[in-house]
Amino acid sequence: SQQGEEDPQALSIQEGENATMNCSYKTSINNLQWYRQNSGRGLVHLILIRSNEREKHSGRLRVTLDTSKKSSSLLITASRAADTASYFCATVPFNAGGTSYGKLTFGQGTILTVHP
Amino acid sequence: EPEVTQTPSHQVTQMGQEVILRCVPISNHLYFYWYRQILGQKVEFLVSFYNNEISEKSEIFDDQFSVERPDGSNFTLKIRSTKLEDSAMYFCASRPHRGPSDQPQHFGDGTRLSIL
Repeated sequence: SQQGEEDPQALSIQEGENATMNCSYKTSINNLQWYRQNSGRGLVHLILIRSNEREKHSGRLRVTLDTSKKSSSLLITASRAADTASYFCATVPFNAGGTSYGKLTFGQGTILTVHP
Repeated sequence: EPEVTQTPSHQVTQMGQEVILRCVPISNHLYFYWYRQILGQKVEFLVSFYNNEISEKSEIFDDQFSVERPDGSNFTLKIRSTKLEDSAMYFCASRPHRGPSDQPQHFGDGTRLSIL
């Protein structure tokens, strides 16, 4: 699989339910980020987790990172119809030399549909 | 809140023609990026730009492509002699100040490029 692979590819839930999306990657990372994309729009940054962090919260979002398994998960609690969008994980590679220009490598994304 | 703006929103061009995609990054940002997303595929990194020069580029970013920051505010992507496979959504992004790469990128809404 390629760097930043999400599963499931599509997720359909009812409003109020929780949504969990997973991401796997292959190389060492500096950080992992989650972005959201509404249809026909640009990417909106949701949350960033550094390689030395294991869990992070932001409002209804919870992100975990397991560097030993090279995987991350995004949990959206109490979902709303407005959460309907595509969600992407993106990694910034670890650079032992210390110079990183922050290039993002994206996964295929998960299409989340929340039904009212 | 400041945002990255891209123009035009949609560009239709004949194969073989040159196109220039324009972006105005957020004013105090120092790192600039171009990504592209072919319909139904993942977002792909093209190039990063820092201190008035290319800092990193992908295999996609060959001699057909060039970037420029002509006047301290605009950031442009030029595609010479366009091909059908250049049809995609092109996103500009910027990131604030120097330092570690654990800063989120801010994306524009993209330019949809259609090559006929």
